[in-house]
Amino acid sequence: GAGVSQSPRYKVAKRGQDVALRCDPISGHVSLFWYQQALGQGPEFLTYFQNEAQLDKSGLPSDRFFAERPEGSVSTLKIQRTQQEDSAVYLCASSLGGRWAGAQETQYFGPGTRLLVL
Amino acid sequence: RKEVEQDPGPFNVPEGATVAFNCTYSNSASQSFFWYRQDCRKEPKLLMSVYSSGNEDGRFTAQLNRASQYISLLIRDSKLSDSATYLCVVNKANTDKLIFGTGTRLQVFP
Repeated sequence: GAGVSQSPRYKVAKRGQDVALRCDPISGHVSLFWYQQALGQGPEFLTYFQNEAQLDKSGLPSDRFFAERPEGSVSTLKIQRTQQEDSAVYLCASSLGGRWAGAQETQYFGPGTRLLVL
Repeated sequence: RKEVEQDPGPFNVPEGATVAFNCTYSNSASQSFFWYRQDCRKEPKLLMSVYSSGNEDGRFTAQLNRASQYISLLIRDSKLSDSATYLCVVNKANTDKLIFGTGTRLQVFP
């Protein structure tokens, strides 16, 4: 079946530009996660949704980062006034279960969006 | 100090070798533990969960030592296709967050 998809796969932005990254989770998956992976590092947690509710946004690095999942399926991560340090791969993952069950279950990752801010 | 620490490697081993990776975590309240595999420029994929009793999946064996807050992964009879980065992953208790280590790079050569 279809896995997690993300678009665009690559994005080049000028410093100060706003960007929007899209994630389509696996159909029926309740939990959705966003991670940021810098070069040579492991993914770092940004935020988590259970259905449309954003239950944890403690990993968002600044108020320039905003995520939403208004209908409990597709999610968008928006970065305003991009900076060079925002250059990274942004990974989306989904899992089947509800609250805290998600941590016990496999998270399926999308291919990521590679963001380069010039 | 990072919450999950791994030796970044690289580990360069010949085909057929046995190789072991270690990982330590700082939060004693962590509940779930995993090894993920990430190929170059690809997304992470779950390799195996890690249980206190230890678990094996073919050539792969994972061990957890809660007292020492230490996780290991053993790969026997390495294949060229095992070349990848292996990420040690821990979940924070009572959260859905996964905390990733920086990964250990493995290169298997002929």
